[in-house]
Amino acid sequence: DIQMTQSPSSMSASLGDRVTITCRASQDIGNYLSWFQQKPGKSPRRMIYGATNLAAGVPSRFSGSRSGSDYSLTISSLESEDMAIYYCLQSIQYPYTFGAGTKLELK
Amino acid sequence: EVQLVESGGGLVQPGSSLKLSCVASGFTFSSYNMHWIRQAPKKGLEWIALIYYDSSNKYYADSVKGRFTISRDNSKNTLYLEMNSLRSEDTAMYYCARGKGDYWGQGVMVTVSS
Repeated sequence: DIQMTQSPSSMSASLGDRVTITCRASQDIGNYLSWFQQKPGKSPRRMIYGATNLAAGVPSRFSGSRSGSDYSLTISSLESEDMAIYYCLQSIQYPYTFGAGTKLELK
Repeated sequence: EVQLVESGGGLVQPGSSLKLSCVASGFTFSSYNMHWIRQAPKKGLEWIALIYYDSSNKYYADSVKGRFTISRDNSKNTLYLEMNSLRSEDTAMYYCARGKGDYWGQGVMVTVSS
């Protein structure tokens, strides 16, 4: 199975900060990488697909990038509504696998 | 409006069975692959099963292979997850999701406990 190593597991940041979360794939997954946001008591919401594509309705402060086997989700200027847990997901090979999640909190 | 509504969860004893449903509306259900994904209490997301739009292929996580069966009825716009030989570690919120994860249901809770 493909392992997705996500870091950090948690972080605190201030409003307006630039925040980056990373996932490293144990095998080549091309651009078959999505990012999901989950708020307490809610279903996950897709933020990024195809590693770099912004999902419909997602604010433009969110972006995705790839460098080799490292995939990043960046929030350019943190807003209070961005506090959530973020997960990456590889979808090139079954079983699909999620990263362990990054809990983003307000400093 | 796209909607996915899960049902069928509840409290069951270890070793028992349960069948979840996910009713889809607002899109052409028969054109999309569908997933089941679960989340144990205070844990991360775990993908558990996928079924192709025409039921031609099904894939499972090792943790549920041989115990869970994914199926669908395109005439009823409904996705199913039949769960057998349930274990305490199957306790989780179960979500259905469309295709590339662009829409998710609200989830249904399954608790396996004696």
